[in-house]
Amino acid sequence: TQLLEQSPQFLSIQEGENLTVYCNSSSVFSSLQWYRQEPGEGPVLLVTVVTGGEVKKLKRLTFQFGDARKDSSLHITAAQPGDTGLYLCAGARSNAGNNRKLIWGLGTSLAVNP
Amino acid sequence: NAGVMQNPRHLVRRRGQEARLRCSPMKGHSHVYWYRQLPEEGLKFMVYLQKENIIDESGMPKERFSAEFPKEGPSILRIQQVVRGDSAAYFCASSPRTGLSSGANVLTFGAGSRLTVL
Repeated sequence: TQLLEQSPQFLSIQEGENLTVYCNSSSVFSSLQWYRQEPGEGPVLLVTVVTGGEVKKLKRLTFQFGDARKDSSLHITAAQPGDTGLYLCAGARSNAGNNRKLIWGLGTSLAVNP
Repeated sequence: NAGVMQNPRHLVRRRGQEARLRCSPMKGHSHVYWYRQLPEEGLKFMVYLQKENIIDESGMPKERFSAEFPKEGPSILRIQQVVRGDSAAYFCASSPRTGLSSGANVLTFGAGSRLTVL
C-alpha cells in the first residue's frame, strides 16, 4: 500500500504549457516536501510546506498544502525543458520525527518537449 | 563546498560478488542516510548512521547488507554475495541534524550509485 499517491505517473507536454501534479494521502502529515530528481542524479529539495492551506512559490512553480494536510499540489506555469524530471513528494508524520521516517511517493515523471 | 559525493556512480557485479558503495557527506554534516530506489518502489529508507554509530537499520535486509560510517573516511554500504534483485540505484543523503523542525535539517542527496548485477 502506497501511503502517498502521486498523479499522474507520467506527463509529457509541450514547452509553454501549464501543468499540475498531485500528491494525495488519507493520512495527515505535519509537513510535506517536494523534490525534483533529474535523470542520473539524486533528488533535490524544492520546498517544504508545513501549514494547512499554505501556498509557496518558487519562480514558475506553485506549491500548495491542502487545508487538512493530507494532500499537496505542484503547479508549473509555462513549463520549460529544464523542468523535465521526476517530481517526488515526501511526507513527515511528526515534527518530532526525523528524516528516516519520511514517507515517499513514487513520483510524477515529467517530460517537457521543446 | 562540495555536496554529497558518492562513488562509484556505476558498478557492475556478477552474482555472488561483493559491492561496496561509498558516500562522503556534505562538509559539516554528521548524519548519513542510505536509500534504495527502484522505479516501481520509489525511494526506500535503508539505514541511518552518525559517526561510528548505526542509529537505525530497520530498512536494511538483515543478511548480506551492512553499513558503516567510521570516524575517518566515507560511509560505506556493503552488499555481500549480490543477487540480481540487488540491482538498483543506491542514494546517500546527509543532514546536519535528524529532525525536520528547521531548515537546517533538510536532506541533501548524492547523485547515487547504480548497481547492476549480471
